[in-house]
Amino acid sequence: DIQMTQSPSTLSASVGDRVTITCRASQSIYTWLAWYQQKPGRAPKVLIYETSTLKTGVPSRFSGSGSGTEFALTISSLQPDDFATYYCQQYNSYLTFGQGTKLEIK
Amino acid sequence: QVQLQESGPGLVIPSETLSLTCTVSGGSISGSYWSWIRQPAGKGLEWLGRIFGTTGTANYNPSLKSRVTMSIDMSKNQFSLKVTSVTAADTAVYYCAKNAPSGWYLDYWGQGTLVTVSS
Repeated sequence: DIQMTQSPSTLSASVGDRVTITCRASQSIYTWLAWYQQKPGRAPKVLIYETSTLKTGVPSRFSGSGSGTEFALTISSLQPDDFATYYCQQYNSYLTFGQGTKLEIK
Repeated sequence: QVQLQESGPGLVIPSETLSLTCTVSGGSISGSYWSWIRQPAGKGLEWLGRIFGTTGTANYNPSLKSRVTMSIDMSKNQFSLKVTSVTAADTAVYYCAKNAPSGWYLDYWGQGTLVTVSS
């Protein structure tokens, strides 16, 4: 099984901040990584797939990077709508999610 | 626009079988992979498995493989999940989702349905 480890578990930030969430895979997943945003009581929504490709309609302040085992999701300038929980997910071998990063207002 | 809707009992007795159905609208289940994911309250996401809508071939999460079965009903454009011998640890919101054709990430999700395991 491929394990995914996200950090931090919780991130406190302010509107306008630049934030980065990292995700590490237990073995190489090449670039088969997606990022999801989940708000309370809602299903997750995919933001980025294949490490860095933005899903249609996702704001350009979101970006993804990495390859192999180290990945990152960056939000360049936080907006009020961005406070949510974020999950990485590998799909190189079946599907595995990271444990999530809760982005909260400072 | 593909839409998915989960349905099934919200309460299951311990040791019995959990059964859920996902109805797909706005597209055929044929030709795509479809997944089930669950999320216990306040916790992360766990992928349970996926099924191919044309053949019914399924792949399951090894951690649950012996208890999980998925199936399709092309006539109703539905796919289903069964989890046997449930315990309180199976209490969660269950989501159905569509796997993207250009990769295996999940590009459309149902709204989720809460299943509680309790006597």
